[in-house]
Amino acid sequence: QQQVKQSPQSLIVQKGGISIINCAYENTAFDYFPWYQQFPGKGPALLIAIRPDVSEKKEGRFTISFNKSAKQFSLHIMDSQPGDSATYFCAARSYRDDKIIFGKGTRLHILP
Amino acid sequence: EPEVTQTPSHQVTQMGQEVILRCVPISNHLYFYWYRQILGQKVEFLVSFYNNEISEKSEIFDDQFSVERPDGSNFTLKIRSTKLEDSAMYFCASSGSRLIAGYNEQFFGPGTRLTVL
Repeated sequence: QQQVKQSPQSLIVQKGGISIINCAYENTAFDYFPWYQQFPGKGPALLIAIRPDVSEKKEGRFTISFNKSAKQFSLHIMDSQPGDSATYFCAARSYRDDKIIFGKGTRLHILP
Repeated sequence: EPEVTQTPSHQVTQMGQEVILRCVPISNHLYFYWYRQILGQKVEFLVSFYNNEISEKSEIFDDQFSVERPDGSNFTLKIRSTKLEDSAMYFCASSGSRLIAGYNEQFFGPGTRLTVL
């Protein structure tokens, strides 16, 4: 299955709170899991990515948690800021091909 | 910082008409891609292009679609006879050499919104 399922569709978080977005996949050939951030009028931009040989990757306030056995991964945004308000896409790739398989996206709004 | 650019930002066309969407990838990149996003849906892969030929395409990329790199800078997507369901945001992306171990990041342009009436 080439799908990546993402939830929630939209999320509202208070400034300073933790934003959590979840994704699941089925294709075990996927071996690279990027997250993209998209602001209005812009294309998706790589935010952070993880490979399945690690369970967590942290870059600043952004953390990916990866559960290989459950085939799930999630993005945590700590100390969420109004500037984080954007659409977030989880995605998956296989080394065998070029295409990125995107989730449906989560529209995140951080309340000031 | 170099970026992918796309023109036009919005294209309105009548059903059955041909459209050409244009992209200028990052200058030293070798791999080029088109994705589309129907309103409210996920971003979907259409085609990848390397060394002047298609390297991979999705089932969406049928005979109505074609890609071309007419010169050293532009990368185009042509839809021969547009249908209502072709209305979407079309994103171009480019990436650098595969000599870098692991994955090479795809850099996305801002998109062209295509509206078919």
